[in-house]
Amino acid sequence: AQSVTQPDIHITVSEGASLELRCNYSYGATPYLFWYVQSPGQGLQLLLKYFSGDTLVQGIKGFEAEFKRSQSSFNLRKPSVHWSDAAEYFCAVEDYGGSQGNLIFGKGTKLSVKP
Amino acid sequence: DVKVTQSSRYLVKRTGEKVFLECVQDMDHENMFWYRQDPGLGLRLIYFSYDVKMKEKGDIPEGYSVSREKKERFSLILESASTNQTSMYLCASSSRLALRVNEQFFGPGTRLTVL
Repeated sequence: AQSVTQPDIHITVSEGASLELRCNYSYGATPYLFWYVQSPGQGLQLLLKYFSGDTLVQGIKGFEAEFKRSQSSFNLRKPSVHWSDAAEYFCAVEDYGGSQGNLIFGKGTKLSVKP
Repeated sequence: DVKVTQSSRYLVKRTGEKVFLECVQDMDHENMFWYRQDPGLGLRLIYFSYDVKMKEKGDIPEGYSVSREKKERFSLILESASTNQTSMYLCASSSRLALRVNEQFFGPGTRLTVL
């Protein structure tokens, strides 16, 4: 069965510092990949997605992610974190070979931002 | 903008009650999903539906049922609520992308407490 791993449960960064959130998936080919953000008490909002083409994808709120097939990774980055970025971040991969239309989510990384 | 709405943001029910959680999407999406979210466990898929009157079990269907009588509406039913069903419930929808997954749009969530 496919899986998505977000190795960091909780990360704290200072405001203005750079950020990288890690995501690894278990899948042989090139899956469709997604990053979502969830503010406290809210639903999930799509930050960006990768289907094919350029392996560096830009998203909303100044986020970007890079797909590295050799490392089975899709890490999320932001050059300068703002206090409003404090939230929980979820990586997701398509359930290819399973049920069409389904996503498999990582367990999430909670981001705290120090002033 | 795609909008996914859920009938309640907060709900408090007693053990043994029958509970209905309603979800409506306004973008004519074929696919709809119900997840529950618990700290440290991420999102777990309860049920999903690819079309009206169609439903399929997700990873944790026990204790739940669903109904999809109209394309825009997907209901989650707890036949006899138990305290271990206290959780955040998230509804999502997505359009059908030929043979592959597409991004899911999420509602704001319903935080259910069963006493």
